[in-house]
Amino acid sequence: KQEVTQIPAALSVPEGENLVLNCSFTDSAIYNLQWFRQDPGKGLTSLLLIQSSQREQTSGRLNASLDKSSGRSTLYIAASQPGDSATYLCGSPREGKSTFGDGTTLTVKP
Amino acid sequence: DTGVSQNPRHKITKRGQNVTFRCDPISEHNRLYWYRQTLGQGPEFLTYFQNEAQLEKSRLLSDRFSAERPKGSFSTLEIQRTEQGDSAMYLCASSSSGRPQHFGDGTRLSIL
Repeated sequence: KQEVTQIPAALSVPEGENLVLNCSFTDSAIYNLQWFRQDPGKGLTSLLLIQSSQREQTSGRLNASLDKSSGRSTLYIAASQPGDSATYLCGSPREGKSTFGDGTTLTVKP
Repeated sequence: DTGVSQNPRHKITKRGQNVTFRCDPISEHNRLYWYRQTLGQGPEFLTYFQNEAQLEKSRLLSDRFSAERPKGSFSTLEIQRTEQGDSAMYLCASSSSGRPQHFGDGTRLSIL
């Protein structure tokens, strides 16, 4: 059974700082690893999808990496902005049951 | 707007009543998922459809819960005899094979 853990649960940084969010999973036979953003009262917005054969994906100021052997993924956010404040979740989506972490709530202070 | 649409956005009901939620996926997506999310937690998988076939159900989906996708397009999730513990955000997502899941904004259920 796949379990996904995200630490820390909350993070506060000053604007402009680079930061890393962590995601750990227990089953190295992971299919895909997806990072999402969730704003209060909203659904999940997909940020990056790393397929099992890939090691990283980049989109703008975001870079996500996947290390299946260690069971870890990281989301790197460069030059953080107040608009980046949200909850960031990682998940293991598959053609059926998908497992998500409980998220890291990020606050970027102006 | 061609995203995933969920209705209603918020449902308030008394304990013991039945409720039904609707999800309209992105039109070309053949896969549809239902999740439940409580405050401070990630989404928990409930059930999954490929076209009109319900292929997987979580143990969380008790006999009070039923989901349908009659024509492989929209889906409904019904909860019978609601309980306090059913209060949560119910999220729907859709996808094509091997592609990212796209989520709706959810239906927030509040049980009085």
